[in-house]
Amino acid sequence: EAQVTQNPRYLITVTGKKLTVTCSQNMNHEYMSWYRQDPGLGLRQIYYSMNVEVTDKGDVPEGYKVSRKEKRNFPLILESPSPNQTSLYFCASTSSLTRADLTDTQYFGPGTRLTVL
Amino acid sequence: AQSVTQLGSHVSVSEGALVLLRCNYSSSVPPYLFWYVQYPNQGLQLLLKYTTGATLVKGINGFEAEFKKSETSFHLTKPSAHMSDAAEYFCAVSVRTGGFKTIFGAGTRLFVKA
Repeated sequence: EAQVTQNPRYLITVTGKKLTVTCSQNMNHEYMSWYRQDPGLGLRQIYYSMNVEVTDKGDVPEGYKVSRKEKRNFPLILESPSPNQTSLYFCASTSSLTRADLTDTQYFGPGTRLTVL
Repeated sequence: AQSVTQLGSHVSVSEGALVLLRCNYSSSVPPYLFWYVQYPNQGLQLLLKYTTGATLVKGINGFEAEFKKSETSFHLTKPSAHMSDAAEYFCAVSVRTGGFKTIFGAGTRLFVKA
């Protein structure tokens, strides 16, 4: 079954304790992306990756890091989480099997609800 | 800069009534526009998208949207609401900025009354 998986689904942590949210897709997609969803703000793009070892900032990258060492995985790293990073996080990948373009449909994971105390 | 505005954070309709969710965009280049739906505790799912060609786009679950360049709008409609349509709906635009990014509206929550 084609899917995007995220782990963990729920996480409560404390300020400053490094954490990683994993994202994996089994569709051989090149383009992957991370978003955060906050009430009244919709989804805002944190980082995206056009391919292995190619990443770029979205609209709200501060406080986050990503890596793309292999095609299927795109982890989101919070080196020193703060309470303002409490949010619902979504990973997504595109439908293109070759070069991603603007018309592609994004497939979303189920979300990770993060609370930073 | 590109932006997406969804008019109305909450919309309530009766079952069987017309659904109209409004989306306006701002883009300096030809836009690629999307509508996604999010059911409770789930990720987003594509409803429909406009890329090029026909301006009236049909999607899943009986939804459709019309791209109106002169009005910079991409409103989502469904002739007859069903209880299962209750969800949050997001309009989005894809833009190229070196790589490319997707910008989402703030979302509209649709309530359907029996």
